[in-house]
Amino acid sequence: DQQVKQNSPSLSVQEGRISILNCDYTNSMFDYFLWYKKYPAEGPTFLISISSIKDKNEDGRFTVFLNKSAKHLSLHIVPSQPGDSAVYFCAASKGTSYGKLTFGQGTILTVHP
Amino acid sequence: EAGVAQSPRYKIIEKRQSVAFWCNPISGHATLYWYQQILGQGPKLLIQFQNNGVVDDSQLPKDRFSAERLKGVDSTLKIQPAKLEDSAVYLCASSIQTSGGRDTQYFGPGTRLTVL
Repeated sequence: DQQVKQNSPSLSVQEGRISILNCDYTNSMFDYFLWYKKYPAEGPTFLISISSIKDKNEDGRFTVFLNKSAKHLSLHIVPSQPGDSAVYFCAASKGTSYGKLTFGQGTILTVHP
Repeated sequence: EAGVAQSPRYKIIEKRQSVAFWCNPISGHATLYWYQQILGQGPKLLIQFQNNGVVDDSQLPKDRFSAERLKGVDSTLKIQPAKLEDSAVYLCASSIQTSGGRDTQYFGPGTRLTVL
């Protein structure tokens, strides 16, 4: 039962353009969503999060959008840089689970110079 | 500030052998997590500790996996006996655990296990 899905295994963009990574979830009890970034041979690192009471959160070049009715979130990176090339995981949690995260499968982002 | 430490970084064993992984969380972090990440999938929570008590072990295959967190600091995860499908990266994470459960989880580099 895959409660968090990232349907695009990979994404390739040119440096300076926008990268859009998508994530869908099925459990309506999820109320907090996060994006993690992972480089090879390293653990995931936290990037940005959003609570279900919001529909947008920005942090520099990174913006996360949440559409609760569609159970969909997306991460926008503008402008994309070669150093952004990594695997991006979306994750979700619910208030009753006290920190337990459910992760998607990940999307490999490649930013070409 | 030192990050989450894990050892070993790589381990190769034969099926039916035993293996143990060690994790040292960030100092002061009350909550510790062990995740299993199979190739091509996202991390899956195996067990969550709050101090030295278990909060969630619903996805831990208890017939072969065990974990402990003595004195609420370091933790070990053991597999006995290992199966081929246990080949994965085992990630340890920690968080401060303020009220509300929205704390950032900080991950270690992981241990890559190969079972032959």
